[in-house]
Amino acid sequence: QKEVEQNSGPLSVPEGAIASLNCTYSDRGSQSFFWYRQYSGKSPELIMSIYSNGDKEDGRFTAQLNKASQYVSLLIRDSQPSDSATYLCAVNTGNQFYFGTGTSLTVIP
Amino acid sequence: EAGVAQSPRYKIIEKRQSVAFWCNPISGHATLYWYQQILGQGPKLLIQFQNNGVVDDSQLPKDRFSAERLKGVDSTLKIQPAKLEDSAVYLCASTLGTRGIYEQYFGPGTRLTVT
Repeated sequence: QKEVEQNSGPLSVPEGAIASLNCTYSDRGSQSFFWYRQYSGKSPELIMSIYSNGDKEDGRFTAQLNKASQYVSLLIRDSQPSDSATYLCAVNTGNQFYFGTGTSLTVIP
Repeated sequence: EAGVAQSPRYKIIEKRQSVAFWCNPISGHATLYWYQQILGQGPKLLIQFQNNGVVDDSQLPKDRFSAERLKGVDSTLKIQPAKLEDSAVYLCASTLGTRGIYEQYFGPGTRLTVT
């Protein structure tokens, strides 16, 4: 059973703070890892991909991967109200994508 | 570059009726996916195509769902007959290929309501 686990939240942070979203996965053979943002009533939008251990930064977003701990996280710096959405973690294992249930983030002005 | 296109965006049908959804992937993307997303859950894979061949349809309820990608480009997903529990958003996504490094992009989805 290939599982991707996320804390469903909701997670609330004040505007300007750092939001930290976490994801664990069960299959050590997983190759690549993705974070999607999904606004209510919209489809998932890819915001970050990460393939090797360590950090990857893109603007206000930083993805962190630790394959030994089977853990991937997303940090959002200087959180804005427009960041309020559900964040989905996706893991590619055996050339197939597996999704978590998502973490709901609310940024409070 | 145009994204993944889907139609219709919304559909309301009665149970036991049939419905079809259409998807056109990003140009050049060989791999196409259909997902079902129920409110509050992550997308669940229904079927994956590589060109016009099926890679994985293990979670497709084959007694009522069917899908095809005859020319290796656009695809159609059909439900016949629909049940109340089929109410969900049906998402189409595509990648360049099947290798795990490829990023997956989603279309806008079709919201299906079965009454």
